[in-house]
Amino acid sequence: EPEVTQTPSHQVTQMGQEVILRCVPISNHLYFYWYRQILGQKVEFLVSFYNNEISEKSEIFDDQFSVERPDGSNFTLKIRSTKLEDSAMYFCASSQQGAVSYGYTFGSGTRLTVV
Amino acid sequence: AQTVTQSQPEMSVQEAETVTLSCTYDTSENNYYLFWYKQPPSRQMILVIRQEAYKQQNATENRFSVNFQKAAKSFSLKISDSQLGDTAMYFCAFRAGNQFYFGTGTSLTVIP
Repeated sequence: EPEVTQTPSHQVTQMGQEVILRCVPISNHLYFYWYRQILGQKVEFLVSFYNNEISEKSEIFDDQFSVERPDGSNFTLKIRSTKLEDSAMYFCASSQQGAVSYGYTFGSGTRLTVV
Repeated sequence: AQTVTQSQPEMSVQEAETVTLSCTYDTSENNYYLFWYKQPPSRQMILVIRQEAYKQQNATENRFSVNFQKAAKSFSLKISDSQLGDTAMYFCAFRAGNQFYFGTGTSLTVIP
């Protein structure tokens, strides 16, 4: 069964550093998403991406964050000047269609630890 | 505003028994879908079951079924014949438009 692949599985970074989280969505999917889950809390929407541009973003997704699809297969989330509170599990997801009826396929997540 | 509430932070069930996880939601949307996702210790989010809001018939996927009460905005998940591999965090989710809204999750432990 097709999978969404995320790398690395765990990233430790120093406060103030920049990190790039990588995702390879399912090849025929057109809609891409980033979610995050702070430990013990619910999964929160960050951003959705379609046709090479952001289609929707949450209040969390401020200027510190950016997304890119650099080469037609990877989908990256960049976090600039990381803060301690950015420590979380970050999930990439993709969907073949944008229709409401479709669930997402999530990746296994990247655990980001900011020290 | 869209909200999803899971009022049971933790539950346990004996292997082979049946357990029901509760979920309520609030929305002003007419066209929406409801989902249950499973998050095992591996932390991956796995789709368990989905329900179309316009369908009265409750969705069923093997041992998993839902009790969808649209008027009450309730969407509970029933797991029959619980197995050890069902031990996981379960998130109720609601999709309207281009994003999902998740509940805080219910941690389910299946006891041998």
